[in-house]
Amino acid sequence: AQSVTQLGSHVSVSEGALVLLRCNYSSSVPPYLFWYVQYPNQGLQLLLKYTSAATLVKGINGFEAEFKKSETSFHLTKPSAHMSDAAEYFCAVSADTGGFKTIFGAGTRLFVKA
Amino acid sequence: DTGVSQNPRHKITKRGQNVTFRCDPISEHNRLYWYRQTLGQGPEFLTYFQNEAQLEKSRLLSDRFSAERPKGSFSTLEIQRTEQGDSAMYLCASGNANTEAFFGQGTRLTVV
Repeated sequence: AQSVTQLGSHVSVSEGALVLLRCNYSSSVPPYLFWYVQYPNQGLQLLLKYTSAATLVKGINGFEAEFKKSETSFHLTKPSAHMSDAAEYFCAVSADTGGFKTIFGAGTRLFVKA
Repeated sequence: DTGVSQNPRHKITKRGQNVTFRCDPISEHNRLYWYRQTLGQGPEFLTYFQNEAQLEKSRLLSDRFSAERPKGSFSTLEIQRTEQGDSAMYLCASGNANTEAFFGQGTRLTVV
């Protein structure tokens, strides 16, 4: 069985500060991991994905995430927050690269203060 | 290709009525997924199609819910005898074995 835990339902940062959104996963098979972003009343947009290649994954909009098997973590970071980053972020785990049986975390809402 | 398209974007219905949502996936994608998202939660898996075959159904998909994907192209999700607890965002996604799931913008259902 697979599961995802996102630590912190809300995270607030100042514009220009480091963004760190935490995600821990549980999987009985090698996981495929994803981060999605959702703006109000919109669908989900893929930020980045880990598919067992490089452990440090770079995504769109300056985001990156590091897969740490020993810690079962896949935290999302961005060096400098921008106002446009304010959104809901979802970590997800899947049984394959194609999103089969994708399990989503509960989400973390990111607030960016001017 | 303009991505995954869902219609309608919003639906308000009275309790007890039936509703149907449509999803048009990206044309070259053979996988299609339906998810339900309630306020403050992540999407929850409802069902999965590989071409026209419905291969997986969640326990969340009660007998009032039915999904089809005739000819392996567009899909419909029908909810019969809607209840207030059905109010949610219904998301459709499509993909292939080698790509992640691409999501539509969703259909927001409000049952009054």
